[in-house]
Amino acid sequence: QVQLVQSGAEVKKPGSSVKVSCKASGGTFNSYAFSWVRQAPGQGLEWMGGIIPNFGTANYAQKFQGRVTITADESTSTAYMELSSLRSEDTAVYYCARGITGTIGADAFDIWGQGTMVTVSS
Amino acid sequence: SYELTQPPSVSVSPGQTASITCSGHKLGDKYASWYQQKPGQSPVLVIYQDTKRPSGIPERFSGSNSGNTATLTISGTQAMDEADYYCQAWDSFGGGTKLTVL
Repeated sequence: QVQLVQSGAEVKKPGSSVKVSCKASGGTFNSYAFSWVRQAPGQGLEWMGGIIPNFGTANYAQKFQGRVTITADESTSTAYMELSSLRSEDTAVYYCARGITGTIGADAFDIWGQGTMVTVSS
Repeated sequence: SYELTQPPSVSVSPGQTASITCSGHKLGDKYASWYQQKPGQSPVLVIYQDTKRPSGIPERFSGSNSGNTATLTISGTQAMDEADYYCQAWDSFGGGTKLTVL
C-alpha cells in the first residue's frame, strides 16, 4: 500500500522560503501525478499545483504562479514543494496527494500525506 | 478559478439519509469528487468521477452529478460519518460542509 510521508513542521519569517518534502513508499512513484493542497487554520482546501515525475514539468494554480516551485526526484521517490516570499496568510497545513488519473489540475486524490504545518510569523 | 458552493452545515439523525450538495456552473460537464475530513486528519477520498467509490469506502456513500449540481448521499448515516465534506472539480474545492449526526 502506497504511503506518502511528509517532512516536519516549519516556522518561517515573512519574506523567506519553505521547502516541504513528500516521500512515497510501497508503490510506483513515476507513473502517477502528485499535487500539493493547502489548508489554512479553520479553512477549506486549496490546490496549489502538481507534477508527474515521469515528465518532470509542473502545473501551478494561477494564484501561486511565480511563488511556488514543485519538483520531483525519481531516484528517491520524493516530491517537493517550495513556496517563496512567505507572508502570514501562508500559514497553513500543506498536504501532498497522489492523483488517480494523472491529469494535473483535474484529478481526484486517493492518497494523502499526513500534512506539514507551516507557520509564518515574525 | 472555478467556483464551487456548498452549504456550510447539514444535520441528520442516525440511520437516516444525508445529502450534501455542491453547485457550480455546468458542473455536470466535469467530474466531481468528494472528500471526508475529520478533525486533525488528512482528507479521505470517498467518491471520484461523480459516482465511483475507492476501495474500502462503504457502500452507503454514493454520488451523482448533473446540470449545475453534484450530490453526495450517505445512506443509513452513522455517528462515524460526522465530519467535514469537500467537493472538488478541476482544480477547485468547495468551501466544505460540516455534517452533524444528531
